[in-house]
Amino acid sequence: ETGVTQSPTHLIKTRGQQVTLRCSSQSGHNTVSWYQQALGQGPQFIFQYYREEENGRGNFPPRFSGLQFPNYSSELNVNALELDDSALYLCASSRLTSGGSTDTQYFGPGTRLTVL
Amino acid sequence: GQQLNQSPQSMFIQEGEDVSMNCTSSSIFNTWLWYKQDPGEGPVLLIALYKAGELTSNGRLTAQFGITRKDSFLNISASIPSDVGIYFCAGRPNTDKLIFGTGTRLQVFP
Repeated sequence: ETGVTQSPTHLIKTRGQQVTLRCSSQSGHNTVSWYQQALGQGPQFIFQYYREEENGRGNFPPRFSGLQFPNYSSELNVNALELDDSALYLCASSRLTSGGSTDTQYFGPGTRLTVL
Repeated sequence: GQQLNQSPQSMFIQEGEDVSMNCTSSSIFNTWLWYKQDPGEGPVLLIALYKAGELTSNGRLTAQFGITRKDSFLNISASIPSDVGIYFCAGRPNTDKLIFGTGTRLQVFP
């Protein structure tokens, strides 16, 4: 158990819809990163949030957006869903210090999104 | 997206055998990590490596951070059935993201 929780566990949406996924970070962690894992692939970095602001972004279009709240929990929002968005969405929490160093990222169990 | 080269892609071994897998990159990393993922679950951290040349063990697992900072390997000794799963390497070039390998699927037969 990493202490990172995600909801919901499974979700089915249709093309064009919007979805919001949620993540609660491990106690003592202030940074949340989101990853997309397609079937049979390794996770791909979407973005990271620190101090409620985006702190780095991977190669994902603007319809992927996020939020971080004062309690360090986070949301991932995806607009205009496409079939290729079907994947396991993972969040990982870590601790980023003011000096810029960061501890290891610990992953939640993921949300399985299916787009029909 | 970018993924690290991880080999072998899959392994089928007998219980008690040793396992070795490795990961290579065209880029230099400051940190190498090894994760194990079971079906329907998130990756679980096995070993973290922070310095070039570092050799670290965690029970039956041993991993090394390559001297060139472009590769890493993971060894599992005396495999047991619960070692079954997908093993991912991950490199961290900076503070914001991990770049994952393509995964090694391990199957252990009794």
